[in-house]
Amino acid sequence: QVQLVESGGGLVKPGGSLRLSCAASGFTFSDYYMSWIRQAPGKGLEWVSYISSSSSYTNYADSVKGRFTISRDNAKNSLYLQMNSLRAEDTAVYYCARVRMVPDAFDIWGQGTMVTVSS
Amino acid sequence: SYVLTQPPSVSVAPGKTARITCGGNNIGSKSVHWYQQKPGQAPVLVIYYDSDRPSGIPERFSGSNSGNTATLTISRVEAGDEADYYCQVWDSSSDPVVFGGGTKLTVL
Repeated sequence: QVQLVESGGGLVKPGGSLRLSCAASGFTFSDYYMSWIRQAPGKGLEWVSYISSSSSYTNYADSVKGRFTISRDNAKNSLYLQMNSLRAEDTAVYYCARVRMVPDAFDIWGQGTMVTVSS
Repeated sequence: SYVLTQPPSVSVAPGKTARITCGGNNIGSKSVHWYQQKPGQAPVLVIYYDSDRPSGIPERFSGSNSGNTATLTISRVEAGDEADYYCQVWDSSSDPVVFGGGTKLTVL
């Protein structure tokens, strides 16, 4: 079945780095844009970044621009988020989600991985 | 950047109709998507392109969009519909993906 599974979350100190991964299965990964969306504890959804199907185009929220890098490996059906210079306000559940193209909906979401930034 | 405004909470009795609004400047010119999120779970798409339903979503869920307000309507509300609901659009501003703040639907 169509599935997205995130991994790589954990506890990291402010200023530290973390790399999240999202493994896709059950669909042709290379046909879809992919995105990261986060949710701070008790808060709403916040878009983080997206990447086009061939990696030719990326976009980032202002809140993470210059600190986070999205990438993908279509041969491995995998999406990544490299997070550097982490701050307490980056603490959240991070979801990967697929979207066929702009301005389609995010039709499949992973279960999320928790990132906690704390000393 | 573009702002979507949702009421923090909506309450409805079982069997009645719930309407959750999503306000934005000329939102009628954009395509609105709606997500349902139950506690401890990932969001699920319930309405896309204003009024289309993904397969598996009950016909009780419908959507509309006009002027400055988009609306998610849930007919014959059930206890299992209790969840947070988020609207979302794509925008040409610096943050291209915008979510509303979310509405907690309580079934009385």
